[in-house]
Amino acid sequence: DAGVTQSPTHLIKTRGQQVTLRCSPKSGHDTVSWYQQALGQGPQFIFQYYEEEERQRGNFPDRFSGHQFPNYSSELNVNALLLGDSALYLCASTRADPTYEQYFGPGTRLTVT
Amino acid sequence: LAKTTQPISMDSYEGQEVNITCSHNNIATNDYITWYQQFPSQGPRFIIQGYKTKVTNEVASLFIPADRKSSTLSLPRVSLSDTAVYYCLVGDPISVSGTASKLTFGTGTRLQVTL
Repeated sequence: DAGVTQSPTHLIKTRGQQVTLRCSPKSGHDTVSWYQQALGQGPQFIFQYYEEEERQRGNFPDRFSGHQFPNYSSELNVNALLLGDSALYLCASTRADPTYEQYFGPGTRLTVT
Repeated sequence: LAKTTQPISMDSYEGQEVNITCSHNNIATNDYITWYQQFPSQGPRFIIQGYKTKVTNEVASLFIPADRKSSTLSLPRVSLSDTAVYYCLVGDPISVSGTASKLTFGTGTRLQVTL
């Protein structure tokens, strides 16, 4: 079992550009959540996808959008990048049941210059 | 969501037992308590979860008193590889939309283990 995988590992973008990050959930999981983690801080919830729909959203602007595909994989898109968007972006997957345990991927380190 | 309070940092020597306490005074009836471990530049890793009393697995124990307003993560005989940030999370496993609930992380407890 490969667990949660994310790509790319690292990414450098310029202010104003757009970026797409990808996530494949752990086998058997149907729910994907995205988190942003700034240096020295805990992860902050961005949004969650289940059945190809956004079910929950944190306090992030509309520049952050996502998508879930029929195979449960997911993308996070960020438009009009700001310097403050530099962070580790984490994907977590789980099943939509009371098990509650979420498995995190290794993350994508995004640097905006 | 219940707010949690943890110590910012803790130090321990290798081989000792480490107890990290988390306060969550306004925990709700349906809330579970979950602990995650995170190493630098890696995603958080689930350690243990509980609702009440004591839960034990192969890596840790979780002690929850009857009033559930706090919890203690116990790591037996820590090693250098246990140096990490530990997060206490409190929440209902299922959100109002019927899906897995979002996780709310604080700043965590930075555990430093030395020889």
